[in-house]
Amino acid sequence: QVQLVQSGAEVKKPGASVKVSCKASGYLFTNFGINWVRQAPGQGLEWVAWINTYYGHTSYSPKMQGRVTVTTDTPTTTVYMELRNLRSDDTAIYYCAKDQWFEKSPPDFWGPGTLVTVSS
Amino acid sequence: DIQMTQSPASLSASVGDRVTITCRASQDISNSLAWFQQKPGEAPKSLIYDASFLLSGVPSNFSGSGSGTDFTLTILSLQPADFATYYCQQYKSFPYTFGQGTKLEI
Repeated sequence: QVQLVQSGAEVKKPGASVKVSCKASGYLFTNFGINWVRQAPGQGLEWVAWINTYYGHTSYSPKMQGRVTVTTDTPTTTVYMELRNLRSDDTAIYYCAKDQWFEKSPPDFWGPGTLVTVSS
Repeated sequence: DIQMTQSPASLSASVGDRVTITCRASQDISNSLAWFQQKPGEAPKSLIYDASFLLSGVPSNFSGSGSGTDFTLTILSLQPADFATYYCQQYKSFPYTFGQGTKLEI
């Protein structure tokens, strides 16, 4: 069965960086992209980024472009999201979500989320 | 960016009711529209893709419709497990964008 296992909660200071991982299993990893979506406390869902796990193509939210990088490691079937120059409003749960098909796809399965807290 | 506007922001209903949530896109997205359900403290769950197709395992009392800019999520005969927050998302073009959510309360 499909599984997305995310790394544990992080507490960071403003200006620091964080790298969250999402390890996929139960399906052919390079056949489906991975999205990153975040949710600030009490707020709605915000799309952050997407990566094509076969070619490594990426797309980022313009709001976060320049501070976020998503990478993929095929041998370990793991996708990473790095967010730099953290601010207090980056405090959120970060979800990875598997695409339903190869490209231009909605997610069909979500990871449990990783809480990132940014506080001085 | 394509803006997604959901209405209402919140909705009170009773078990057995039929409810409809609407989602409007700021430009034509064809049928590239998904719906998600999220319960407190849980990750979102995917319900519908391509505006009207239910994912495997989604109860048949959920249905979606629409094309272009206007879409609806309908829940027939509300069950206790259906009280949650619902989001729409367009995946026609990057950046993919979500509606602000509709909280369905008892």
